[in-house]
Amino acid sequence: AIQLTQSPSSLSASIGDRVIITCRASQGISTALAWYQQKPGKPPKLLIYYAFSLESGVPSRFSGSSSGTDFTLTISSLQPEDFATYYCQQFNTHPFTFGPGTKVDIK
Amino acid sequence: EVQLVQSGPEVKKPGESLKISCQTVGYIFTNYWIGWVRQVPGKGLEWMGIMNPDDSETRYSPSFQGQVTISADRSITTGYLQWSSLRATDTAMYYCARLSSVKGDAFDIWGQGTLVTVSS
Repeated sequence: AIQLTQSPSSLSASIGDRVIITCRASQGISTALAWYQQKPGKPPKLLIYYAFSLESGVPSRFSGSSSGTDFTLTISSLQPEDFATYYCQQFNTHPFTFGPGTKVDIK
Repeated sequence: EVQLVQSGPEVKKPGESLKISCQTVGYIFTNYWIGWVRQVPGKGLEWMGIMNPDDSETRYSPSFQGQVTISADRSITTGYLQWSSLRATDTAMYYCARLSSVKGDAFDIWGQGTLVTVSS
């Protein structure tokens, strides 16, 4: 199975900060990667698919990029509602594995 | 509005069987695969498997193959996840989700989750 690693596993940031989360795949997955946001007690929410494409209704401060097997989720200016855990997921090869998550909390 | 509505929390004993449900509304059920994701309390997301309600084709993660059964009833647009013999290690939140092929097979709509607790 394809393994996904995320870094950092957690970070503390302030409102207005630029936040970058990285997801690395154990082998090539083209752009078959999604990012989800999960808040405590809630189901995950799709943010980005195909590495770059923003899901409808998701604020434009969220963006995705890729370089080889490395993918990044960027939040350009962190807002109070963005404090959550973020997961990447590959859908290139079954099983469609998730990364371990990155928790973003308030500094 | 597209919604996935899951059945309520369950408390079971080891060895018991269980079937939880995921009722879908607001879209054509047979046009989208439906999947299940496990989340142990305080832990990350685990992709369990998916099913095509149109032809019942099913794909499981090796970690869950033989441990659970994914099924669906097209007549009531509902998906199911079932266990024949629960273990304490099955204690988790289980989410159903709609797989969107136009979004690369990402899960675009999620149920609210069903908490399963297995304890003697």
